[in-house]
Amino acid sequence: EVQLVESGGGLVQPGRSLRLSCTVSGFNFDDFGMHWVRQAPGKGLEWVSSISWNSDSVNYADSVKGRFTISRDNAKKSLFLTLNNLRAEDTAFYYCVKGVGYPSAYFDFWGQGTRVTVSA
Amino acid sequence: ETVLTQSPAILSLSPGERATLSCRASQSVSSYLAWYQQKPGQAPRLLIYDASNRATGIPARFSGSGSGTDFTLTISSLEPEDFAVYYCQQRDSWPNTFGQGTKLDIK
Repeated sequence: EVQLVESGGGLVQPGRSLRLSCTVSGFNFDDFGMHWVRQAPGKGLEWVSSISWNSDSVNYADSVKGRFTISRDNAKKSLFLTLNNLRAEDTAFYYCVKGVGYPSAYFDFWGQGTRVTVSA
Repeated sequence: ETVLTQSPAILSLSPGERATLSCRASQSVSSYLAWYQQKPGQAPRLLIYDASNRATGIPARFSGSGSGTDFTLTISSLEPEDFAVYYCQQRDSWPNTFGQGTKLDIK
């Protein structure tokens, strides 16, 4: 069974940092590009960032470029997202997602998400 | 950036009825379009990819059609568990984008 489990979310002040983690099981992690997708409260879905299977290629949405960093550890079957200089508009559920295709992808398996709240 | 516009925003139907949801792209996305279902408090689930292919385990009452700029998700006979929010997503151009969603409500 494919499982993706996120952690690391929480309440953080504007301008501060947070590191999200995602641990996966049930598929060959190092065969696939991985992604983060977020959803602000009551809003739709927004692709945030993606990383190739070997970390050679990374991509970011314009809204987070220069502030967020995606990374992965294939040995530990883990995906990470470091969020720096957080803004109120970064408040959202952040989903770790397995991609089909890279960099353009469909998203076939999702974690349950971790909530990030940016507020003073 | 390719903008996906979904209609209607809210669709109110009864169990057993047929649902037709629309997704229109601001430029051609060929057939590189997917549909997702999201229930309250849950992560989205992939239903349809490449416009018309059902993902693993998706019931046959879900079908997708279209190409270019106009796409449709059809649910042939609504079950109680189908009432949810549906999103379309394109992977033809960068960045990949989602529609704003259609909420399927019980009438």
